[in-house]
This record gives sequence, structure tokens and C-alpha cells, in this order.
Amino acid sequence: AQSVTQLGSHVSVSEGALVLLRCNYSSSVPPYLFWYVQYPNQGLQLLLKYTTGATLVKGINGFEAEFKKSETSFHLTKPSAHMSDAAEYFCAVNAGNNRKLIWGLGTSLAVNP
Amino acid sequence: DTAVSQTPKYLVTQMGNDKSIKCEQNLGHDTMYWYKQDSKKFLKIMFSYNNKELIINETVPNRFSPKSPDKAHLNLHINSLELGDSAVYFCASSQAWAEQGARGYTFGSGTRLTVV
Repeated sequence: AQSVTQLGSHVSVSEGALVLLRCNYSSSVPPYLFWYVQYPNQGLQLLLKYTTGATLVKGINGFEAEFKKSETSFHLTKPSAHMSDAAEYFCAVNAGNNRKLIWGLGTSLAVNP
Repeated sequence: DTAVSQTPKYLVTQMGNDKSIKCEQNLGHDTMYWYKQDSKKFLKIMFSYNNKELIINETVPNRFSPKSPDKAHLNLHINSLELGDSAVYFCASSQAWAEQGARGYTFGSGTRLTVV
């Protein structure tokens, strides 16, 4: 069975600091991995995804994530946080012919001035 | 043009009432979904339709009934509303069924349902 664990339900960083949001997954087959962002009172927006190929994927707004099979991880990073990055971030996995995405519980990112 | 649009955006209603939420997508996607997001931001899939055919029906009270008149529309009707139904309901769509694993979803902006 697939599962997703997001370590840290709340992360707080200073503006300009590195952002690191952690995601570990469990899957018996090669997974497709996603990060979504949800700004306050909005829907979820695809930030980036890994399907096959290059393990370092770049997304919108300067975010990137690296698929590490040996660590079953897909951590999200951004070199320098901006106030506008404050949002809820969700990691999700879909493996093989699974009919639905399996979602993490989300990480709330706060950016302090 | 909004890709996935839901109406209404806010819905406040009394317990016991029946209400509907409508969703439309103009992306040409074949698969549509309803998700429920609770106050702790937990996302739970409720239903999924592929080309008007119900393909995912999670453990949801039968007071919730989806209806897809065509592949661009997926509505959600809720009977006998309860306090616990208060949540944000999101509609989403994805490309072809067989490839949905690789393409991800496009979400609507949500309907905030408050049952009083």
C-alpha cells in the first residue's frame, strides 16, 4: 500500500532563509510524486512533479524537489523564502495504476519578516 | 477563463437542508473528482468520475450523491445536512484516465460549506 508522510505539520522560516519541507513515501512500484501548494482560501495548485527521468525537478516560484529512491524521499526546497510563500504544502504519490493520489497531511509554512 | 470552476464559493445552511454544489471544467479532461478538506486541512477523496462513469466511491455517507451529466460537469448533492459536513469541498479534474498518475490534478477554488 502506498503512503505519504510529511515531517513537520508546521515550519517557520525567516524571509530569505532556506525552505525545506520533507516528504517520505512508501510504494512497492516506481511512484509518481507531486507537491501542491494551497494559498489561504484558495484551491490546490501543482507546484512540481516527478514521473521519470531527472531526479531533480524544478517547479514554479523557485521551488525544486529531488527524488531519492534510496531514501524514499521527495523533499521540497527553495533557496530563499519570500513572504508570499506562506501557504499549506501537500506532498502526494500515485504509483502504478492506482486510481487516486495518496496525500500527505500537509505542512503549513510560515515566513517571518 | 477559469479552468475548474465551482459554485457557490460559500454556502451557509441549516441542519437538515439539502444543497448542491456545481463544478465545471473547460480543460477537456476526462476525469473529475470531489474532495473534502476538513478544518485540519486533511484531504479526503470522495468520488471520481471518468467520462461520466463513477470509478471511485469512497466510504462516504449515502446522503452524498454525485452526478455527472457530461464529462465537463460533476455536481455534488447533499441531503439532510449535518454539522459534521461543514468543510471545504474541492472539485478537481485530470487528463486521460490511463495517464492521470503522471499528470496530476487541476483544482477548483473550493466551496466552503458551513452547516449551522
